Amino acid sequence: EDKVVQSPLSLVVHEGDTVTLNCSYEVTNFRSLLWYKQEKKAPTFLFMLTSSGIEKKSGRLSSILDKKELFSILNITATQTGDSAVYLCAVDGVWAGNNRKLIWGLGTSLAVNP
Amino acid sequence: GAVVSQHPSRVICKSGTSVKIECRSLDFQATTMFWYRQFPKQSLMLMATSNEGSKATYEQGVEKDKFLINHASLTLSTLTVTSAHPEDSSFYICSASSVNEKLFFGSGTQLSVL
Repeated sequence: EDKVVQSPLSLVVHEGDTVTLNCSYEVTNFRSLLWYKQEKKAPTFLFMLTSSGIEKKSGRLSSILDKKELFSILNITATQTGDSAVYLCAVDGVWAGNNRKLIWGLGTSLAVNP
Repeated sequence: GAVVSQHPSRVICKSGTSVKIECRSLDFQATTMFWYRQFPKQSLMLMATSNEGSKATYEQGVEKDKFLINHASLTLSTLTVTSAHPEDSSFYICSASSVNEKLFFGSGTQLSVL
């Protein structure tokens, strides 16, 4: 059964800490792995990863994919209270009938305290 | 970045009525749109995948006659909740896929059925 597992489910840190969020997957016909940040409403796009070992960076956020071990990590350095959100991981693949489909993890709820 | 407009953002209706939610890609052509449902503190649950000009592919357990999806053009998909009941109350989110396969989300629709 295809699945995406995120860990931890919940995390509380202090401002300035560095956090690492994990996403492991078992998905056939893998195309890409996506990270999103969800605050109050709809998720906002962070990264799309397709190749192993190539780190993607955006400010204090970075992410990398390991297609051999089937996981990805999302790093946030020097965390700020504005980083408090649910971080969602999804794997994009192709299923029967050439249909595109996403499988979502449950998310990691990050709380950054001042 | 790409923009997906979802309307309305909130709707309150009486039990038994039908509600239509629109999802538009404003500055790109979306060959694929996804419809999700999200309960409080839970992850996104894919309801259906909508490809332009063809019938939507529904996930297991999602009633196609209750959740009517129409994707008549490359910029518009609609979800109609027919004969809504209180158990249909939820947060509905659409997302659209751009040519580079990144997903962009609408702002979501909070449906409350009385």
